[in-house]
Amino acid sequence: GAVVSQHPSRVICKSGTSVKIECRSLDFQATTMFWYRQFPKQSLMLMATSNEGSKATYEQGVEKDKFLINHASLTLSTLTVTSAHPEDSSFYICSANGGPGSPLHFGNGTRLTVT
Amino acid sequence: AQTVTQSQPEMSVQEAETVTLSCTYDTSESNYYLFWYKQPPSRQMILVIRQEAYKQQNATENRFSVNFQKAAKSFSLKISDSQLGDTAMYFCAFMKSRGNAGNMLTFGGGTRLMVKP
Repeated sequence: GAVVSQHPSRVICKSGTSVKIECRSLDFQATTMFWYRQFPKQSLMLMATSNEGSKATYEQGVEKDKFLINHASLTLSTLTVTSAHPEDSSFYICSANGGPGSPLHFGNGTRLTVT
Repeated sequence: AQTVTQSQPEMSVQEAETVTLSCTYDTSESNYYLFWYKQPPSRQMILVIRQEAYKQQNATENRFSVNFQKAAKSFSLKISDSQLGDTAMYFCAFMKSRGNAGNMLTFGGGTRLMVKP
């Protein structure tokens, strides 16, 4: 079945630094990928839609200059958390689907801790 | 915009028993897809079951089945013969049908299910 790989699974960084998270579709091409954020014991909140070859679409309230998204190929989208602060600590998870009506396939998520 | 509501934040069930998780949604779309995802402590999102709105027949996957009531905009999940491994967060999700790839999911708030031995 379709597999989405997300890396790293866990990262700890210092406040003020930037962190890049990668999301790869391993056996299918994904023109669109999605980035979600999940706080403890809460649901997944859509942050942005990553479109191959064009700018990402951000949800209301999500700072595009802070959460930089690049989707340079049909199999790779990256999320860079710039100038990270402790409040950015969270679980980030990416997803992609392989066709109309196909269920989203999720990466394993990245637990970001900013100290 | 679509909304998905799961009214049961937490539920518990005895092993081997049956439990039903509720989900309602609001949309003006006539055709769409509905999903149940499971998120165990590992936090991996696992697809449990999928329903296409234009199909009247309720989807079934082994011990998991849904009761899809389109007019009522209800999409409940029934888990039969509950197993300890079913302990997880369960999310109901809605997807528009647009005929192209890249359709996002709108998630409900989740139901935490605990299966007790």
